[in-house]
Amino acid sequence: EAGVAQSPRYKIIEKRQSVAFWCNPISGHATLYWYQQILGQGPKLLIQFQNNGVVDDSQLPKDRFSAERLKGVDSTLKIQPAKLEDSAVYLCASSFAGNGYTFGSGTRLTVV
Amino acid sequence: GENVEQHPSTLSVQEGDSAVIKCTYSDSASNYFPWYKQELGKRPQLIIDIRSNVGEKKDQRIAVTLNKTAKHFSLHITETQPEDSAVYFCAASTQGGSEKLVFGKGTKLTVNP
Repeated sequence: EAGVAQSPRYKIIEKRQSVAFWCNPISGHATLYWYQQILGQGPKLLIQFQNNGVVDDSQLPKDRFSAERLKGVDSTLKIQPAKLEDSAVYLCASSFAGNGYTFGSGTRLTVV
Repeated sequence: GENVEQHPSTLSVQEGDSAVIKCTYSDSASNYFPWYKQELGKRPQLIIDIRSNVGEKKDQRIAVTLNKTAKHFSLHITETQPEDSAVYFCAASTQGGSEKLVFGKGTKLTVNP
């Protein structure tokens, strides 16, 4: 079974620039999550999709972050404009009927 | 909302000793409690999980216990090995894991040879 694919693996941008991350979940997994993991902390949920609908985006900073999952498969997370405090690893995960999460390898974002 | 506290933040043991990491949660509706191991620069990997209808679960050298009344759960690693060195995260979820996971802040475990 292929895992959760994420790209890019690393990204360095200047503050106020924009950046986008891509995630392809495990085939057949209806639920997709984006987590933000700041160095030294546990992952924090940014947004949860069920198919192409948003289930929970209560912790997504909507003034600068946006995410979509248009066809219920791939998802894109965007930050515009980026701030220094957005430096983190962005993890995508998917699950099927609550049977355990599978995390992608993440995108490490550095904002300078 | 749910809040998960994890202790200790760092733990150093000698090879062969046991390690115990403890977590407490606040939402009595939480019913799914996974533990993840994260090695440096890698993704979190599920190592064991427990649901609220079970008090204890064991998988070889790893066990998890759950006390619903006290709202705490613990990870036990016996006969630790250097390759157990990593950051361990506990998490809690409602809906049996179909909803978001709320993570603790992590425990950095170091197993000294």
